[in-house]
Amino acid sequence: KNQVEQSPQSLIILEGKNCTLQCNYTVSPFSNLRWYKQDTGRGPVSLTIMTFSENTKSNGRYTATLDADTKQSSLHITASQLSDSASYICVVRGRGTYKYIFGTGTRLKVLA
Amino acid sequence: DAGVTQSPTHLIKTRGQQVTLRCSPKSGHDTVSWYQQALGQGPQFIFQYYEEEERQRGNFPDRFSGHQFPNYSSELNVNALLLGDSALYLCASSLVRQGVYEKLFFGSGTQLSVL
Repeated sequence: KNQVEQSPQSLIILEGKNCTLQCNYTVSPFSNLRWYKQDTGRGPVSLTIMTFSENTKSNGRYTATLDADTKQSSLHITASQLSDSASYICVVRGRGTYKYIFGTGTRLKVLA
Repeated sequence: DAGVTQSPTHLIKTRGQQVTLRCSPKSGHDTVSWYQQALGQGPQFIFQYYEEEERQRGNFPDRFSGHQFPNYSSELNVNALLLGDSALYLCASSLVRQGVYEKLFFGSGTQLSVL
């Protein structure tokens, strides 16, 4: 069964600190992997999109990495801000399908 | 430039009733997907519409049906509502020609409560 698993489930950090979120997937064959940020009660917003040939993609303070061989990805947040408090969801699309498989997300809380 | 708009924002129904949710895609987008998000879970794919046809469907029963109109807007219909249908329903639009870099834009969702 194609799955996307994320860790940790939740994380609390102090403002200004860095953090790294993990994503493991079993989707095969693989097309692309995305990271989304979702504020409570809102729709997800795209942060990065990576295909199997890309191993790093940055978007401001967000940097995503991908290892397609081990089927692992990470999202690194640098110099966290209070506004980074949200759920971060890893999403994978298989090749030859229009279906995106979402992880359950990591809930990040940034404290002042 | 309007983003993805969904209506209504909130809805309360009772078991057995039917509901219709609506979505207007981002300007210029031609593809609409619907997702169900239960509390504390990631969104689950329901189906995707392109050129007024259902292009792919997730693991949802036939009680869930949809439609896409010539102006690319879309409706999600759910019949014979169950308590377990209570969730946030998200609509996402995209542009098919972007291919693998297709970027999904989500609306804020419709929160459906079934009593």
